[in-house]
Amino acid sequence: NAGVTQTPKFQVLKTGQSMTLQCAQDMNHEYMSWYRQDPGMGLRLIHYSVGAGITDQGEVPNGYNVSRSTTEDFPLRLLSAAPSQTSVYFCASSPGSSYGYTFGSGTRLTVV
Amino acid sequence: AQKITQTQPGMFVQEKEAVTLDCTYDTSDPSYGLFWYKQPSSGEMIFLIYQGSYDQQNATEGRYSLNFQKARKSANLVISASQLGDSAMYFCAMREGRSWGNYKLTFGKGTLLTVNP
Repeated sequence: NAGVTQTPKFQVLKTGQSMTLQCAQDMNHEYMSWYRQDPGMGLRLIHYSVGAGITDQGEVPNGYNVSRSTTEDFPLRLLSAAPSQTSVYFCASSPGSSYGYTFGSGTRLTVV
Repeated sequence: AQKITQTQPGMFVQEKEAVTLDCTYDTSDPSYGLFWYKQPSSGEMIFLIYQGSYDQQNATEGRYSLNFQKARKSANLVISASQLGDSAMYFCAMREGRSWGNYKLTFGKGTLLTVNP
């Protein structure tokens, strides 16, 4: 059981470039979400999905897009990278509101 | 106002002693859930314990227990018999509401625990 798999683990982008952070889970969880972690800020919710075809914005959605075409996959797209998007990105999934959320290992993104 | 407040940026504890990490929360929703996560220096997020707002008893998971004081809106994590491997950042988080779609977690800023030998 792989759990939540995020790729890549590390990425360096130039300002203005676009890219997609991949997230896949094999636990048949309905709920998936993306967080970013910045020093001293805890984790902040970017976007989330409660099932295939259903997504919504979190606390800090600007500059990011998501889609959920299957239960397993929830990619995060950076449209035009900015230095302010330098962060560690976590994908998480959960089978329900009373259960612990399983996190991926994270993607460390640097925008120069 | 912050929804989750962790007032201790850093804590130190001697190995084998117990330690309490503080968490207070702010919500007007009668239905909510409280979570604690551990983040070691390797970076992964590890789920430790969950407490629902309607749960009558405090949650326990091995050496972890959650001291839930609903009237004070506090959900402190107690780690008994600390081990060197407990050295990590600890995050408190809250989910509000019962309805479909209310699965969003709000995190505190974390407490860095250091266990001394």
